[in-house]
Amino acid sequence: DIQMTQSPSSVSASVGDRVIITCRASRDISSWLAWYQQRPGQAPNLLISAASRLQSGVPSRFSGSGSGTGFTLTITSLQPEDFAAYYCQQTMTFPWTFGQGTRVEMK
Amino acid sequence: QLQLQESGPGLVKPSETLSLTCTVSDDSVSSSDYWWGWIRQPPGKGLEWIGSVWYSGKTYYSPSLQSRLTILVDTSKSQFSLTLSSVSAADTAVYYCARLRGMTTATPDRAADFWGQGTLVTVSS
Repeated sequence: DIQMTQSPSSVSASVGDRVIITCRASRDISSWLAWYQQRPGQAPNLLISAASRLQSGVPSRFSGSGSGTGFTLTITSLQPEDFAAYYCQQTMTFPWTFGQGTRVEMK
Repeated sequence: QLQLQESGPGLVKPSETLSLTCTVSDDSVSSSDYWWGWIRQPPGKGLEWIGSVWYSGKTYYSPSLQSRLTILVDTSKSQFSLTLSSVSAADTAVYYCARLRGMTTATPDRAADFWGQGTLVTVSS
């Protein structure tokens, strides 16, 4: 299986801050990477596919970058509704493994 | 807007079998364009990939669960299902079903793009 490692596991931030979450794959996955947001009590919601493709309806303050083994999710100007958990997932090969998650908390 | 809905018992006894069904709101279960997956999340923890199924019945199972897992598809009912045998407390989790797109294209635009709301399954006597 391909192992996915996210950092940090949690981050404290304020409204308006920029937040950067990193995700590292145990081997080259090219751009086969998705990012999800999960609010408490809700199912995950797809934000980004193919490492950098923003899904329809997702605010432009979210962006993804990277390829190979290193990826980032950036949230510019954090909004109140962005306090949530974020997961990366490799989609190159089954099983589509997830990172352990990053919790964005209010400072 | 596509909808997925998980259904099944919320409580299962240890050593017994957990069975869940996911009902899809249209007939895309019959399409070769998508796979269909199961993901779970233990309380307070992260997401774990369980397995997936194609309209033809072809499956892929997580190696850690493979010996206990069966995933089937019923295109006539727009449903797919999961059975997990010999459960223990470690199988207590919210179970999600999801649509997996991009499996039949050459681009890396693959993702679980539609999810059910999830159903909590507790393993306890």
